[in-house]
Amino acid sequence: GAVVSQHPSRVICKSGTSVKIECRSLDFQATTMFWYRQFPKQSLMLMATSNEGSKATYEQGVEKDKFLINHASLTLSTLTVTSAHPEDSSFYICSATDRGAFHTGELFFGEGSRLTVL
Amino acid sequence: SQQGEEDPQALSIQEGENATMNCSYKTSINNLQWYRQNSGRGLVHLILIRSNEREKHSGRLRVTLDTSKKSSSLLITASRAADTASYFCYNYGQNFVFGPGTRLSVLP
Repeated sequence: GAVVSQHPSRVICKSGTSVKIECRSLDFQATTMFWYRQFPKQSLMLMATSNEGSKATYEQGVEKDKFLINHASLTLSTLTVTSAHPEDSSFYICSATDRGAFHTGELFFGEGSRLTVL
Repeated sequence: SQQGEEDPQALSIQEGENATMNCSYKTSINNLQWYRQNSGRGLVHLILIRSNEREKHSGRLRVTLDTSKKSSSLLITASRAADTASYFCYNYGQNFVFGPGTRLSVLP
């Protein structure tokens, strides 16, 4: 099956620094990639949708200058949390759709990245 | 809201019992999918049921779909402790949004 690799799985950083999270589709070309944020015991909150080679579409309330998304190729998308603060601490998950499976809309998820900002 | 809504939000059962989770949605569907999320992990696709299907099986999973009621149910038979997880339904066409999920706890 399609595999999405996400790393780092855990990152701890100091307030004010920037953190980059990578999301790669290992064995398929990802038409579209998605970034979610999840708070403890809550559902996933869609942050943005990115298509290869174009600007990401952010959901309402998500600061695009705070959460920079780059989708430079069909297999790689990155999320950079700029000038991170403790309130940005969360679990971030990426997912992708496979061009071949696009007609089903099945989503393939990374394992998530837990960000802790001190 | 276009998201699916799972019910109940939390469910606790004994190992060996069956677990039933329900999902209601508001928009029309192409297909409906169920995902599982173990604590601290990403989501894993479990099963997909198309709009023209009424029931589907996969191992210990049974999914039903009632498009007239805009609802689906996921049945896990003979549950195991390893089934402890959160379960989400996802309506393909709802702009990639997920509902609150059902947190299932299977007690040994």
